[in-house]
Amino acid sequence: QKEVEQDPGPLSVPEGAIVSLNCTYSNSAFQYFMWYRQYSRKGPELLMYTYSSGNKEDGRFTAQVDKSSKYISLFIRDSQPSDSATYLCAMSAGSQGGSEKLVFGKGMKLTVNP
Amino acid sequence: EPEVTQTPSHQVTQMGQEVILRCVPISNHLYFYWYRQILGQKVEFLVSFYNNEISEKSEIFDDQFSVERPDGSNFTLKIRSTKLEDSAMYFCARGVADTQYFGPGTRLTVL
Repeated sequence: QKEVEQDPGPLSVPEGAIVSLNCTYSNSAFQYFMWYRQYSRKGPELLMYTYSSGNKEDGRFTAQVDKSSKYISLFIRDSQPSDSATYLCAMSAGSQGGSEKLVFGKGMKLTVNP
Repeated sequence: EPEVTQTPSHQVTQMGQEVILRCVPISNHLYFYWYRQILGQKVEFLVSFYNNEISEKSEIFDDQFSVERPDGSNFTLKIRSTKLEDSAMYFCARGVADTQYFGPGTRLTVL
């Protein structure tokens, strides 16, 4: 079983749709959970990070972590064409999210159509 | 403004040649990382660097690779004898509290 699994898609939605992106993981030591957005041949851009279980909201983006199910989600409300990108989940088992390596999912390619 | 800058943005080299990729953090931090991403594949951890020493390295990071912080600022990744399979995007990242910020990457093409 891979450490972090993410459906690579691709996913295509109409503008204004609610998008749900998900990752599952097997390592119960993961404590920090991050979502990055990546454009082709560019560096991952941090969207959100969360610690342990719960929800975190930032504008149109909501990150959810369910440690009991080893499942994390990113929701995008009122999706825009500018949200079209590849979305990567990443996780760390460190005492802080910045202090140990990140383990990434493969990334989900999202297209939002006008 | 980027959290880290990387140079060059694109490097083309012949198989067997040495390459040095550079990362310049905007501010002084303790935790640095190198990751790579082969085209179409996931981002993979290579090595972490804490307080000017390697703290962890992956199976990928074999004797062909080395990291240094030669002047206390720039952070370099050296590949001694490049192989075709080293062609990838290489990202530097800095660890800040609960997360990591990535640079724009260097695209390495080995011919």
